[in-house]
Amino acid sequence: SFELTQPPSVSVSPGQTASITCSGDKLGDKYACWYQQKPGQSPVLVIYQDTKRPSGIPERFSGSNSGNTATLTISGTQTMDEADYYCQAWDSSTGVFGTGTKVTVL
Amino acid sequence: EVQLVESGGGLVQPGGSLRLSCAASGFIFSSYPMHWVRQAPGKGLEYVSAISTNGGNTYYANSVKGRFTISRDNSKNTLYLQMGSLRAEDMAVYYCARKRCSGVSCFFDFWGQGTLVTVSS
Repeated sequence: SFELTQPPSVSVSPGQTASITCSGDKLGDKYACWYQQKPGQSPVLVIYQDTKRPSGIPERFSGSNSGNTATLTISGTQTMDEADYYCQAWDSSTGVFGTGTKVTVL
Repeated sequence: EVQLVESGGGLVQPGGSLRLSCAASGFIFSSYPMHWVRQAPGKGLEYVSAISTNGGNTYYANSVKGRFTISRDNSKNTLYLQMGSLRAEDMAVYYCARKRCSGVSCFFDFWGQGTLVTVSS
């Protein structure tokens, strides 16, 4: 079955760049999206179609997808960006979520 | 404003049943496929079930197939998840989510606040 693997955690200093990877077999042949989830809250879409930002999502969030890896990049990370992040793609019309990455800003 | 409001969660004994509802507003409900996603305590997101716009096509994760039934009532703008033969591993926050497609790219653009299902004796 299709699986998406993310690093469990990423640490970043305020103002620096955080990169979160999402690995899956030939993921670059599919579209990836990313969700941010803060404690006690529902997931929020931050990137769709590999690189696009929904309305209201800051420009510091960007995405890429090639080969077997999709990447979410947070430039100029702020303390408010501390959250869990999940990648997601579709496999035969089935939604598949990544394992999730906890981003800590310290 | 798009809103998805889940209800129906609660405490249920192993082997019991529960029906979750998701009331939608602020958009044309009948135009969107709808999905259920769950999250066990301290764990990641798990895709559970999906239903097409008219309810004619449904999907279930292997973990719930044969025990859960998804349905929708477009006249009431409501999505349902009938859960049966509940197990401890079904304990989770259940979210309903709207699926939107931009060309061939699809994603969940709105999520409900979630409803907690606790399975315990």
